[in-house]
Amino acid sequence: EADIYQTPRYLVIGTGKKITLECSQTMGHDKMYWYQQDPGMELHLIHYSYGVNSTEKGDLSSESTVSRIRTEHFPLTLESARPSHTSQYLCASSPFEGPYEQYFGPGTRLTVT
Amino acid sequence: KNQVEQSPQSLIILEGKNCTLQCNYTVSPFSNLRWYKQDTGRGPVSLTIMTFSENTKSNGRYTATLDADTKQSSLHITASQLSDSASYICVVIDRGSTLGRLYFGRGTQLTVWP
Repeated sequence: EADIYQTPRYLVIGTGKKITLECSQTMGHDKMYWYQQDPGMELHLIHYSYGVNSTEKGDLSSESTVSRIRTEHFPLTLESARPSHTSQYLCASSPFEGPYEQYFGPGTRLTVT
Repeated sequence: KNQVEQSPQSLIILEGKNCTLQCNYTVSPFSNLRWYKQDTGRGPVSLTIMTFSENTKSNGRYTATLDADTKQSSLHITASQLSDSASYICVVIDRGSTLGRLYFGRGTQLTVWP
């Protein structure tokens, strides 16, 4: 079982609120990722990081932002939540070297009303 | 365009039966292919990883095959159990980027009935 954690697991929030989804890993992995997944659909990469102070946008455009101040922590923030942000958000990490094995957290199910 | 296609989209089988899930991909250059199991409301968990030179790999009741020439993979589940009910996702890794770009299929939703 991978040591990667996400909080909260479920969040229901009103439109216009600022939210931060937390992700932390205890494996010392350099690379971390945020994916967005709608029901029955594939995962889409929205942000990734090679290490501390490194953040990049993924393939799917997202209004969210991320930061990487510490190796183990990779939070995602939405400044003003909208119903279109309703989705499942999955965090993952992987060691810098190796066959790109990614370890996933349990996910945060976000509902914006 | 790099793509990963899975079939069937959903599958219902009785406990104890076997089943085979299919994955076709167009990702190039190919690094490796993984099968993940994703329980409802959870993150994906890796079942197998297959490199270009591997044809078959087993993990308990799960056996994955890979034909790199035809760009096809399958996941065979034997003696299914109720706990096998989940989405099974085929993921292909692109060798051409330092990020290790992952291409995800939409998954096959497997339901095992008692």
